[in-house]
Amino acid sequence: EAGVAQSPRYKIIEKRQSVAFWCNPISGHATLYWYQQILGQGPKLLIQFQNNGVVDDSQLPKDRFSAERLKGVDSTLKIQPAKLEDSAVYLCASSLDGVSYEQYFGPGTRLTVT
Amino acid sequence: DQQVKQNSPSLSVQEGRISILNCDYTNSMFDYFLWYKKYPAEGPTFLISISSIKDKNEDGRFTVFLNKSAKHLSLHIVPSQPGDSAVYFCAASALTGANNLFFGTGTRLTVIP
Repeated sequence: EAGVAQSPRYKIIEKRQSVAFWCNPISGHATLYWYQQILGQGPKLLIQFQNNGVVDDSQLPKDRFSAERLKGVDSTLKIQPAKLEDSAVYLCASSLDGVSYEQYFGPGTRLTVT
Repeated sequence: DQQVKQNSPSLSVQEGRISILNCDYTNSMFDYFLWYKKYPAEGPTFLISISSIKDKNEDGRFTVFLNKSAKHLSLHIVPSQPGDSAVYFCAASALTGANNLFFGTGTRLTVIP
């Protein structure tokens, strides 16, 4: 069974530039999550999708971050404009449904904002 | 506000001995707890979990203990192996309908051969 795929794996941008991350969840998984993990901290949930609808985006800085999940499969997370404090690993995870607690994580995208 | 805390950033254990990783939480609404293991440059992988209706769950060399009154859980690894060297994250979830996971800051375990 293929795992959660993410790209790119690494990205370096200057502040005020924009960047986008892509995630392909495990086939058949209805729920998709984006997490931000700052160095030395645990992952923090940014947004959760159930199919292509948003379940929770309370921690998403909506003035600069946006995310979509078209057709209930792949998802993209965008940052525009980036700030220095956005430097982090962005993790995508999926679970079978919104009831299952067990989430499966992708390898993450390490973003460095200079 | 950190609702899940792992106060030991690192732990070193000799191969074959027991590793004990600790986790504390503050939100009494949490009803499900998980441990994830993370290798460098990889995403966290699910290791073991426990529901709040239990106080112990065992899976091979891994056992998780839950003390609800103390809002404390621990992960025991016996015997520890060099391949267990990784960062371990404790996570908790409340029955809110969204099943959001709240993670601790992680404990880096090093198993010395």
